[in-house]
Amino acid sequence: DVKVTQSSRYLVKRTGEKVFLECVQDMDHENMFWYRQDPGLGLRLIYFSYDVKMKEKGDIPEGYSVSREKKERFSLILESASTNQTSMYLCASRLPDSRQGKETQYFGPGTRLLVL
Amino acid sequence: DQQVKQNSPSLSVQEGRISILNCDYTNSMFDYFLWYKKYPAEGPTFLISISSIKDKNEDGRFTVFLNKSAKHLSLHIVPSQPGDSAVYFCAALHQTGANNLFFGTGTRLTVIP
Repeated sequence: DVKVTQSSRYLVKRTGEKVFLECVQDMDHENMFWYRQDPGLGLRLIYFSYDVKMKEKGDIPEGYSVSREKKERFSLILESASTNQTSMYLCASRLPDSRQGKETQYFGPGTRLLVL
Repeated sequence: DQQVKQNSPSLSVQEGRISILNCDYTNSMFDYFLWYKKYPAEGPTFLISISSIKDKNEDGRFTVFLNKSAKHLSLHIVPSQPGDSAVYFCAALHQTGANNLFFGTGTRLTVIP
C-alpha cells in the first residue's frame, strides 16, 4: 500500500512565523504535489514537483515555496505566515507516467494549519 | 476560474437508494476524469476514474458516466450505505498537457440510515 505521511496533523502558528510542512512518501513516486483545501473552493494546487530538485508553480503559489532535496520528501514552506494561509494542506504523490494508474494521486492525511 | 464545478455542495440520500453526484467541466481538453472520496481528518482517496474514450465505467456499487458533448460527468452509488457519507471530489486532467489534476469544490454526501 502506498503511504503518504505528513509531519503534523494540526499546527498553530503566529503571523509572520516561518512554517515548514513536511511530506514523505514510501513508494518511490517521482511526482509530488501540495494542495490546500478550503470550504467552497475545493482543492487548489500550490506547487508540484516531477523529480528531485525540480519544482513547478501551481495555481496559487504566492506566499509559498517548496523544497525537494530527496525523492521521498517534499516540503512546503510558508516564509512568513499570514492569517489567510489558515487552511487544510494536503500532500499527494503519483506514479510515474509510464506506469499504469499514472493518473491516480495518493494523498496524505492533511495538516490543518491555523495562523493567528 | 473554476474549470471543474460541482454545483451541489451537499446531498442527502436514504440508505439503500441511489446517490447521484454531478460534475461539470469547461475545458474541452480534459480527457481523464476521477472521483475522490474524503472523510473528515483524512486525505482524499481515489474511488473511480474514466477516460474520455468511454462513456461509462463501473466498479461494484460505483458507476461513473461521462457525457463529453455536455461536458458533464456523474457518479452513481447504488445502493447507498451509511459508510458512503463523505465529501466527494470530481477531478479532471489533460493527459498530454500539464497533466495536473483540477478539482471540483466537492459535494458532501450524507446517507441516512
